[in-house]
Amino acid sequence: QSALTQPPSASGSPGQSVTISCTGTSSDVGDSNFVSWYQQHPGKAPKLMIYEVNKRPSGVPDRFSGSKSGNTASLTVSGLQAEDEADYYCSSYAGSNNYVFGTGTKVTVL
Amino acid sequence: QVQLVESGGGVVQPGRSLRLSCAASGFTFSTNPMNWVRQAPGKGLEWVAIISYDGRIEYYADSVKGRFTISRDNSKNTLYLQMNSLRSEDTAVYYCALQAFDIWGQGTMVTVSS
Repeated sequence: QSALTQPPSASGSPGQSVTISCTGTSSDVGDSNFVSWYQQHPGKAPKLMIYEVNKRPSGVPDRFSGSKSGNTASLTVSGLQAEDEADYYCSSYAGSNNYVFGTGTKVTVL
Repeated sequence: QVQLVESGGGVVQPGRSLRLSCAASGFTFSTNPMNWVRQAPGKGLEWVAIISYDGRIEYYADSVKGRFTISRDNSKNTLYLQMNSLRSEDTAVYYCALQAFDIWGQGTMVTVSS
């Protein structure tokens, strides 16, 4: 199972928006509503930010939103804040009781 | 407070074995499927294995199939990962996580090196 493809980096100034893509195939992202997004700060464990494509866990700011079209999922962070600077990963159920993660995107707040 | 605490990591020679543990608290462990996920230094996340709530069903990533075994002891609220025939490419931080990846442990580092 190949990793989902994400851009290595993305950036934006405080208050701006940034969108990260996550491209898979018709066997994973394209065929699953179990697409999630995680935020990971250096040396820390990943934190779930979005699940089931566009749902936010309790406590996650509504500045974070998710969507999906075909084989590509997206995470948008609106109103960028300094604490949003982190690595972001997507994941998807890939069928046959397998899961696959994305390659990761480093978000920089300029 | 829901908490997962991994332990058992360390430095091990290629070809040797190691067993990781993940102690769960703050939730009903015995009703939750559990995952292991790893992250090589400077790299992305890789799903490793999942086990059903009762331990009867296991699934593995192709990269570890036949070498790693996931198991659990619901009486001890503990998840395990038995890692055999370790290779240098198994070097990573290993995380345990709930089925939906909504709760993660802090991770334990495994280094495979001679």
